[in-house]
Amino acid sequence: ETGVTQTPRHLVMGMTNKKSLKCEQHLGHNAMYWYKQSAKKPLELMFVYNFKEQTENNSVPSRFSPECPNSSHLFLHLHTLQPEDSALYLCASSQDPPGSGFSYNEQFFGPGTRLTVL
Amino acid sequence: AQSVTQLGSHVSVSEGALVLLRCNYSSSVPPYLFWYVQYPNQGLQLLLKYTTGATLVKGINGFEAEFKKSETSFHLTKPSAHMSDAAEYFCAVSEFDNMLTFGGGTRLMVKP
Repeated sequence: ETGVTQTPRHLVMGMTNKKSLKCEQHLGHNAMYWYKQSAKKPLELMFVYNFKEQTENNSVPSRFSPECPNSSHLFLHLHTLQPEDSALYLCASSQDPPGSGFSYNEQFFGPGTRLTVL
Repeated sequence: AQSVTQLGSHVSVSEGALVLLRCNYSSSVPPYLFWYVQYPNQGLQLLLKYTTGATLVKGINGFEAEFKKSETSFHLTKPSAHMSDAAEYFCAVSEFDNMLTFGGGTRLMVKP
């Protein structure tokens, strides 16, 4: 595998289900990101992780719970979602995170998970 | 604070015609500028980037962009559109050691 991979590519879930999205980066990067992309809305940054530590949470509802066990893996745990949470969820990584003193934050993206909440 | 404006949420061109996608940015310090492309149900792929040096930047698939500081612009061009260029294009800006900020995107349609 190369680059940034995401699984599953498609997910349909009910509002009472619990599911998880997985992201893995094979680039040796130190920072990872979750974005939400809805139809007719700009890209929304959800979370930023730097060396496994969460450095940014953009007022995301608690029904989204991120986990970063190491600098290569990032999860997004989902529970009791709403239909308006249906979107494409994109994972990205960058060599260095913002605030590290090195970064101009070029990000590499995975293919996304298309989530549908019924 | 940095920001990006992409003029035109939809642009339609004929195959073989010039592609011009507009991007203007706001930044208090010298910016780093990026163009990404997104094909349907795919992630974002980096087309090209400007960090320092030459202001005319060449990217993949025949695209190029020119950084014009006086106009705070970073427009994306391609001399001759191909059907495979139909996609959504995002301009993005970052200041050193700061987060990447994306524009709202421009959907490019190519007519046969």
